Amino acid sequence: KAGVTQTPRYLIKTRGQQVTLSCSPISGHRSVSWYQQTPGQGLQFLFEYFSETQRNKGNFPGRFSGRQFSNSRSEMNVSTLELGDSALYLCASSLGIFGGSSTDTQYFGPGTRLTVL
Amino acid sequence: GDSVTQMEGPVTLSEEAFLTINCTYTATGYPSLFWYVQYPGEGLQLLLKATKADDKGSNKGFEATYRKETTSFHLEKGSVQVSDSAVYFCALGGSTLGRLYFGRGTQLTVWP
Repeated sequence: KAGVTQTPRYLIKTRGQQVTLSCSPISGHRSVSWYQQTPGQGLQFLFEYFSETQRNKGNFPGRFSGRQFSNSRSEMNVSTLELGDSALYLCASSLGIFGGSSTDTQYFGPGTRLTVL
Repeated sequence: GDSVTQMEGPVTLSEEAFLTINCTYTATGYPSLFWYVQYPGEGLQLLLKATKADDKGSNKGFEATYRKETTSFHLEKGSVQVSDSAVYFCALGGSTLGRLYFGRGTQLTVWP
């Protein structure tokens, strides 16, 4: 079974631009979560989608948004990029049967490395 | 709220040494606990998990026991190898569906 895939793997943008990152979950998984990883802040939760609905959101500004499609694939968008948005963005998928539970294991993709100049 | 406190490194060991990485948590309800490992340039890989008190997760020689009385989930390995060099993250799956709470990570370097 294929794992979680993320595209692109690397991105270089300049301040003020916007960017869209894509995540394809493991087949059959319905929940997709996004995290930002930086050396200073560690792993921070961005948001989670289940059945095309955002269920939970972390403490990030409105410039960070996302969506999920009917096939469970997900995208996140960052508008008006700032230097501090440079990070590794990780997507994770989990089964989410019956809406999910705390025991659901999240499987991570390789990440998208975003550099903002 | 839910949170994880993890021993910060770096940790440097010789091959075949014993490894312990401490992890304690705060949570409401009955969380699940995970250890993930991250190799350079890669995403996180699940190493092991435990879903209830006294459960022991194990994989590739690594073990961790879910201790509710001490709110801990320490990672151990009896004999580390050079190939175990990586960053290890303790994580908690709690009351917020789809969200894992992570520790800050522990960099492990094993020398031959």
